[in-house]
Amino acid sequence: AQSVTQLDSQVPVFEEAPVELRCNYSSSVSVYLFWYVQYPNQGLQLLLKYLSGSTLVKGINGFEAEFNKSQTSFHLRKPSVHISDTAEYFCAVTKGYQKVTFGTGTKLQVIP
Amino acid sequence: DVKVTQSSRYLVKRTGEKVFLECVQDMDHENMFWYRQDPGLGLRLIYFSYDVKMKEKGDIPEGYSVSREKKERFSLILESASTNQTSMYLCASSLSGENTGELFFGEGSRLTVL
Repeated sequence: AQSVTQLDSQVPVFEEAPVELRCNYSSSVSVYLFWYVQYPNQGLQLLLKYLSGSTLVKGINGFEAEFNKSQTSFHLRKPSVHISDTAEYFCAVTKGYQKVTFGTGTKLQVIP
Repeated sequence: DVKVTQSSRYLVKRTGEKVFLECVQDMDHENMFWYRQDPGLGLRLIYFSYDVKMKEKGDIPEGYSVSREKKERFSLILESASTNQTSMYLCASSLSGENTGELFFGEGSRLTVL
């Protein structure tokens, strides 16, 4: 069975500082990996995805993530955060043709 | 623009009532999903469907059922609502294969069971 772990439930960071949100997954087979963002009182939208190829993927709003197969991780990074990045971020995994499993989410709080 | 529409943004029901949550997508997607979102628990999959009249249990199907009679519509049914089903319910759809995980979400339906 596949599962996703987001160890950090909340991450406070000062504006213009870098941030990393951690995601680890467990699966015995190849998977597809995703990061979603949920702004306050809004639905979820896709930030970026890893399907195959380059392990470094770039998404919207300056975010990027690196797929590390040996560590079964897919951490999300941004070199310089903005107040508008305050939101909850969810990591998700699927093997394709099957269910999509989400982590418990990480709330990013950007401090002015 | 891609759109997933959930019929009700807010509902208040009484314990024991039957509740229908409707979801419609206009993207001709094969897959449709129902999740519930609770603070600290993230999104938990209730049911998903990869084709008309097909359904698969997710991680927390107990107390719920679903119906997919048409490709664009996926309904979540609470046969007898209970207070522990008070939650935000999110519907999503996606294409199949490697695009399965690229979900398009509706705005959510916040259900309160008294």
